[in-house]
Amino acid sequence: GAVVSQHPSRVICKSGTSVKIECRSLDFQATTMFWYRQFPKQSLMLMATSNEGSKATYEQGVEKDKFLINHASLTLSTLTVTSAHPEDSSFYICSASGGLSEQYFGPGTRLTVT
Amino acid sequence: GNSVTQMEGPVTLSEEAFLTINCTYTATGYPSLFWYVQYPGEGLQLLLKATKADDKGSNKGFEATYRKETTSFHLEKGSVQVSDSAVYFCALLSKSTFGDGTTLTVKP
Repeated sequence: GAVVSQHPSRVICKSGTSVKIECRSLDFQATTMFWYRQFPKQSLMLMATSNEGSKATYEQGVEKDKFLINHASLTLSTLTVTSAHPEDSSFYICSASGGLSEQYFGPGTRLTVT
Repeated sequence: GNSVTQMEGPVTLSEEAFLTINCTYTATGYPSLFWYVQYPGEGLQLLLKATKADDKGSNKGFEATYRKETTSFHLEKGSVQVSDSAVYFCALLSKSTFGDGTTLTVKP
């Protein structure tokens, strides 16, 4: 149980375009979803926290207009990187929580902006 | 503020060696503590957790004890295998705070 999927697993896009990443909780209802960014050989950095039906709460330094997060249902959250640039290239990981302190992580999405 | 400090890596061990990866934390209250493992190119997998002081989490031969007096949650395994090679993260999930990760390489 407690499986979280992400789609796509890898994406390459051109500079200036937008890309959407989906995060789904497959077998439980996720009241809260989290989006993290991970640079090579570094730890996870929390970007934002979203609760179903509410606006996401962004961490300091994360541009909310660039990283659009939507949590429209209890099983789906999306992260849209708008007007992507090469510096946005990274590994993006989502996690989902059903209300307890534990988070279940997705397999990650490798974004490369050319 | 909340923080997690992990033992710096990388750590290289021979198969069947004893493993310790140190983790200490700073937080208000008594948060649940977690160890996650990340294999190359993949997301994080929960390895073990402890929710209160003196709890011992264990899984796949790995153990960690929640020590309130030393604010620590060190990860141990008595005999590592090549397949244990990965990056290990200590975490305070209630604050979405992760340690920097420790890369473990086990050689045959």
